[in-house]
Amino acid sequence: NAGVTQTPKFQVLKTGQSMTLQCAQDMNHEYMSWYRQDPGMGLRLIHYSVGAGITDQGEVPNGYNVSRSTTEDFPLRLLSAAPSQTSVYFCASSFAGGRTYEQYFGPGTRLTVT
Amino acid sequence: EDKVVQSPLSLVVHEGDTVTLNCSYEVTNFRSLLWYKQEKKAPTFLFMLTSSGIEKKSGRLSSILDKKELFSILNITATQTGDSAVYLCGSGGYQKVTFGTGTKLQVIP
Repeated sequence: NAGVTQTPKFQVLKTGQSMTLQCAQDMNHEYMSWYRQDPGMGLRLIHYSVGAGITDQGEVPNGYNVSRSTTEDFPLRLLSAAPSQTSVYFCASSFAGGRTYEQYFGPGTRLTVT
Repeated sequence: EDKVVQSPLSLVVHEGDTVTLNCSYEVTNFRSLLWYKQEKKAPTFLFMLTSSGIEKKSGRLSSILDKKELFSILNITATQTGDSAVYLCGSGGYQKVTFGTGTKLQVIP
């Protein structure tokens, strides 16, 4: 199992550009989430999904879109990048009905918006 | 709004020392308290504590949950340089976890 994979690892965008951060998992997990991590701020939830076709907003959803057409994939779209979106983005997945709420995290995407 | 606060923000200790990391939480619907270790990249899971499981131990690491006072501690005994990391505490369930800012631990030889 590859676990949770994210691409790209690094990205530099100019203000106003759009892009999609990719996230995939091969563990057949129902739940998937996107977090951003900023210095001194911990992990903050952007969007999450409880299954294919179902998504919801987290703590900091503005400026981001998600969709979940398959169990495996959960892309995060930046519509018009802003310097405030410079951050490290983590995708995570978890198994519904398991004995723990453990989330498995991807390696992260470091995004810089200039 | 759910809130998780960790202290201290950072800590430097010598190998062999014992450390205690703190996490307090205020959440509207408590499901669990989660501890993760984050080295260079992705956080990795350490413990989950719930109303029915308030104490966990794995090797030199242990954690307890105080449901009355709404806090948890993570203890690391006989620290090693490999314990250097950011330790994250979070509260939530399957899909929504609120994390604290983390405690950065540095263990020096």
